[in-house]
Amino acid sequence: AQKVTQAQTEISVVEKEDVTLDCVYETRDTTYYLFWYKQPPSGELVFLIRRNSFDEQNEISGRYSWNFQKSTSSFNFTITASQVVDSAVYFCALSEDSGNTPLVFGKGTRLSVIA
Amino acid sequence: GAGVSQTPSNKVTEKGKYVELRCDPISGHTALYWYRQSLGQGPEFLIYFQGTGAADDSGLPNDRFFAVRPEGSVSTLKIQRTERGDSAVYLCASSHNLNTGELFFGEGSRLTVL
Repeated sequence: AQKVTQAQTEISVVEKEDVTLDCVYETRDTTYYLFWYKQPPSGELVFLIRRNSFDEQNEISGRYSWNFQKSTSSFNFTITASQVVDSAVYFCALSEDSGNTPLVFGKGTRLSVIA
Repeated sequence: GAGVSQTPSNKVTEKGKYVELRCDPISGHTALYWYRQSLGQGPEFLIYFQGTGAADDSGLPNDRFFAVRPEGSVSTLKIQRTERGDSAVYLCASSHNLNTGELFFGEGSRLTVL
């Protein structure tokens, strides 16, 4: 069975601070995919990143970076120099066979960035 | 250049009534997913279509829930004899490439059962 745990329910930071959102996953498969989605107040989930289980290289995209560590079954997401527009709920998700099995989402972390 | 469109955006109904929620995916996307999101929770999978057929309906909670996609484009989620526990936001997503797992979500239909 697959499971995604986001232990942080809510985080509040002051603008320009760095913030890390934690994600821990469980799966029995050796091939799987991890995702992060952003859900702004409008409600529409927006895809941020997909990572497969064979690629542990960390990724950076602008102010966003992701740290994938199979040894601890974690896929953490860091926002550098946070901005008010980063305020949203962020979901980590897992698929045991990308696209062919549905994504299993964590409960999300609500990030509030205060000006 | 429309994204995934869902109607209605809000639906209030009484317990026991029948409800239909519609999803219009991005043109050309063959995969279509329905998820349900309760307050403070992550999206919960209901059903997914590949073309016209339901490839996986294991997430439907019971036989009051049914979904169709007769022409491989628009999909309708149907809920019979609604219960208060059905209140949630129902999200639809579509995908062009199964191998990327990147889903494009609509803004959801908020269902409230009184």
